[in-house]
Amino acid sequence: SQTIHQWPATLVQPVGSPLSLECTVEGTSNPNLYWYRQAAGRGLQLLFYSVGIGQISSEVPQNLSASRPQDRQFILSSKKLLLSDSGFYLCAWTAIRTGGLEAFFGQGTRLTVV
Amino acid sequence: AQSVAQPEDQVNVAEGNPLTVKCTYSVSGNPYLFWYVQYPNRGLQFLLKYITGDNLVKGSYGFEAEFNKSQTSFHLKKPSALVSDSALYFCAVRDKAGNTGKLIFGQGTTLQVKP
Repeated sequence: SQTIHQWPATLVQPVGSPLSLECTVEGTSNPNLYWYRQAAGRGLQLLFYSVGIGQISSEVPQNLSASRPQDRQFILSSKKLLLSDSGFYLCAWTAIRTGGLEAFFGQGTRLTVV
Repeated sequence: AQSVAQPEDQVNVAEGNPLTVKCTYSVSGNPYLFWYVQYPNRGLQFLLKYITGDNLVKGSYGFEAEFNKSQTSFHLKKPSALVSDSALYFCAVRDKAGNTGKLIFGQGTTLQVKP
């Protein structure tokens, strides 16, 4: 069966420090991968998505970047965090190439920038 | 532009009563619709989806949803609510442009089931 791992679960970082959040998927190949952010415990905003290794699409201009160095690995980064980067970050995948339509989510990372 | 609306920030029901969480959508063509549930500080769990076929879709944990094309709605329902159903519920529609699988989410509805 397929599983998605996301870590760390919580993170407190000072303003101006770097960030690296990692997400890996097991049990599938060629997934589409996504990073969402949930602010104030409500709406979800798509930040980045990737349809393949090295292919990243950004949905909103921001202080963050994403990379996909391997087929099932998706990394969210920042060189210098801002207070406004605080939020709940969720990684997700879809098996779109095999007809899968629903997305499956990781457990999330609670980022607090202080 | 495609969008999803959840008109209620919060829904309160008593345990054992039926529940409905509302969702309306705006999509060109036939929509792919989804419901997800989120427990505190957790990721989203897939509940059910409508792609085509029967308008009444059954999903996990006894939930179902009714697709109504004329009203552009996809309300989530359960005949008898449990206290453990208390959570944040999201309706979503798949962005059909480019076959990227991106989801467009509503703002979420908090369901509170009281004993």
